[in-house]
Amino acid sequence: KNQVEQSPQSLIILEGKNCTLQCNYTVSPFSNLRWYKQDTGRGPVSLTIMTFSENTKSNGRYTATLDADTKQSSLHITASQLSDSASYICVVSANDSGGSQGNLIFGKGTKLSVKP
Amino acid sequence: KAGVTQTPRYLIKTRGQQVTLSCSPISGHRSVSWYQQTPGQGLQFLFEYFSETQRNKGNFPGRFSGRQFSNSRSEMNVSTLELGDSALYLCASSSSGGEHNEQFFGPGTRLTVL
Repeated sequence: KNQVEQSPQSLIILEGKNCTLQCNYTVSPFSNLRWYKQDTGRGPVSLTIMTFSENTKSNGRYTATLDADTKQSSLHITASQLSDSASYICVVSANDSGGSQGNLIFGKGTKLSVKP
Repeated sequence: KAGVTQTPRYLIKTRGQQVTLSCSPISGHRSVSWYQQTPGQGLQFLFEYFSETQRNKGNFPGRFSGRQFSNSRSEMNVSTLELGDSALYLCASSSSGGEHNEQFFGPGTRLTVL
């Protein structure tokens, strides 16, 4: 069964500190992996998209890694800011030659709180 | 470019009623997907429309339906509302809808069923 598991479920850190969020998946055949940031009451916003051949991708202070062999991904946030407080959702796309978006498998997210 | 817009943003209905939600995709985008988001289940795929045709459907009962118009705007309808339908309903658009295609989400419609 295709699944995406994220850990931890929630995390509290102090402003300025770094943190790493984890995503493990059992999705086959794999197409790509996405990380989204979702502020409370808003829609998710894409941070990174990585295909099978990419193992690192950065977007400002956000760096995502992908290990396709172990089926693990991480999202590292450096020098956290109060505005980083949000839910971070890992999404894995199963390969679909039909091109449909319906093969996206969503994790339940990690809720990050950054405190001053 | 304007982003994905959803109307209304908030809605309160009672059990048994029906509701229609609207989504306007980014100009030029032809794929619109709908999702239900609840605290316990996370984001769950409802259906995707591409060029006015339903291309894929999630595992939801027939009370949930949708359609897409020639201008790519999409509507989602839920009939005979149940308490468990209370959720944030998100739509997302992408240009061609391929699995490598980035999705852009709207702000969502918060539906409360009493």
